[in-house]
Amino acid sequence: DSGVTQTPKHLITATGQRVTLRCSPRSGDLSVYWYQQSLDQGLQFLIQYYNGEERAKGNILERFSAQQFPDLHSELNLSSLELGDSALYFCASSVGRGVNNSPLHFGNGTRLTVT
Amino acid sequence: AQSVTQPDIHITVSEGASLELRCNYSYGATPYLFWYVQSPGQGLQLLLKYFSGDTLVQGIKGFEAEFKRSQSSFNLRKPSVHWSDAAEYFCAVVPPSGGSYIPTFGRGTSLIVHP
Repeated sequence: DSGVTQTPKHLITATGQRVTLRCSPRSGDLSVYWYQQSLDQGLQFLIQYYNGEERAKGNILERFSAQQFPDLHSELNLSSLELGDSALYFCASSVGRGVNNSPLHFGNGTRLTVT
Repeated sequence: AQSVTQPDIHITVSEGASLELRCNYSYGATPYLFWYVQSPGQGLQLLLKYFSGDTLVQGIKGFEAEFKRSQSSFNLRKPSVHWSDAAEYFCAVVPPSGGSYIPTFGRGTSLIVHP
């Protein structure tokens, strides 16, 4: 058990809808990362937060947004969903923001299916 | 362009046989290097990492990896594979500078173990 909790485990929704994925980082970890895993794109970095502030942005669509709350949990919001958004979404956490604070600890992911 | 490549999409080995999974990177300077494993339905788990120093790195579950600067490679090895090693393996790199410290993952290698 990595200590990172993601909910829900599975999500099935229709195109055009909006969903929220939730992540609780490992106790003591200040950084949260979101990744999208799909068969055609592999594991793609979306966004990172550190202690409530956005630190780095990757290939995140404008329809997607995230935030990290004072209790350090994070939410990833996906709106105007398209079929191509179907993927496994991972949250990971680490103690700090530097590489010496690696490794990343991954949750088990949320599998999103858009129909 | 900076990248990390895992040339083999699938690798099939017999239980008890040795294993080598390949990882090549393309960066101006030596990045920080990692191997992660993803079992079915699970998140990614760190096997080992290389920052500097001894080029042969020992990890968990009997895995090791060797950094070869001349070949820009960081191959993962195990002398005797167990059926429980069947999983997806990801090589990841963190650029040595720039401040973002965000791991970039290869496309993964799926390991199949025959009894």
